[in-house]
Amino acid sequence: DQQVKQNSPSLSVQEGRISILNCDYTNSMFDYFLWYKKYPAEGPTFLISISSIKDKNEDGRFTVFLNKSAKHLSLHIVPSQPGDSAVYFCAASGSSGTYKYIFGTGTRLKVLA
Amino acid sequence: GAGVSQTPSNKVTEKGKYVELRCDPISGHTALYWYRQSLGQGPEFLIYFQGTGAADDSGLPNDRFFAVRPEGSVSTLKIQRTERGDSAVYLCASSSPGRGPSGANVLTFGAGSRLTVL
Repeated sequence: DQQVKQNSPSLSVQEGRISILNCDYTNSMFDYFLWYKKYPAEGPTFLISISSIKDKNEDGRFTVFLNKSAKHLSLHIVPSQPGDSAVYFCAASGSSGTYKYIFGTGTRLKVLA
Repeated sequence: GAGVSQTPSNKVTEKGKYVELRCDPISGHTALYWYRQSLGQGPEFLIYFQGTGAADDSGLPNDRFFAVRPEGSVSTLKIQRTERGDSAVYLCASSSPGRGPSGANVLTFGAGSRLTVL
C-alpha cells in the first residue's frame, strides 16, 4: 500500500515558467511533509518542508502548498531554471513516536532552455 | 564531517555473499536512518537509530538484514546471503536533535552505496 503517491513520473517545463509537482497521501496522521531534489549519483537534497498546521510555506523560488482535507500537497517552482532539472520526492511523517519518513516514487522534472 | 559519508560508493558481489555498508553521519547528529532505493522507486525506509539503539526497524525486509550503531555515531548495515533482489542504492541519512523551523525533522542524506548482486 503506497501511502505517499506521486502520480506524474515526469514533467517538462519551459525555462522561466512555473513547475508544479504534486503529491497525494492516504494517512491522515501524517503531519510533517518534506520535498527533496535528487540529481543522478547523488543523495536526495532537502528543499522545503511544511507542517500540517500550515497551508503554505515559501522559500525563494520554492513554495509548498498543503491541502489537508484533500490529503494533497504541491511544490511550485517559479521561475523554473535548467538547473532545477532533477527527480523530486515528497516525503511524509507523523509527529509521534518514530521520525521515519515515507517517500513517494518521485517526479522527474526537465526544464527546457 | 561536513556531510554524511557512505562507503563503499559501489559494491559488486555474488549471490550468497555477505556485505557490509558503512555510514558516517554528520557530527552531532543523534538520529541515523537507512533507506533503500530501487530503480524507479522512492527511498524505502529500512531502520532508524536514535543514539545507539534502533528506534524503529520495521522496514528491514527479513532477518538477512541487520544494522548496528555501537557508539552512537558510525553505523554499519549488514546483509547476509545476498540475493539478486537486494541490488539497490542504500542511502544513509542523519538528523540533528529536535526539529527545524517548520517543525519538521530534516534528514541529510549521503550519496549512497550502490549494491549489485550478480
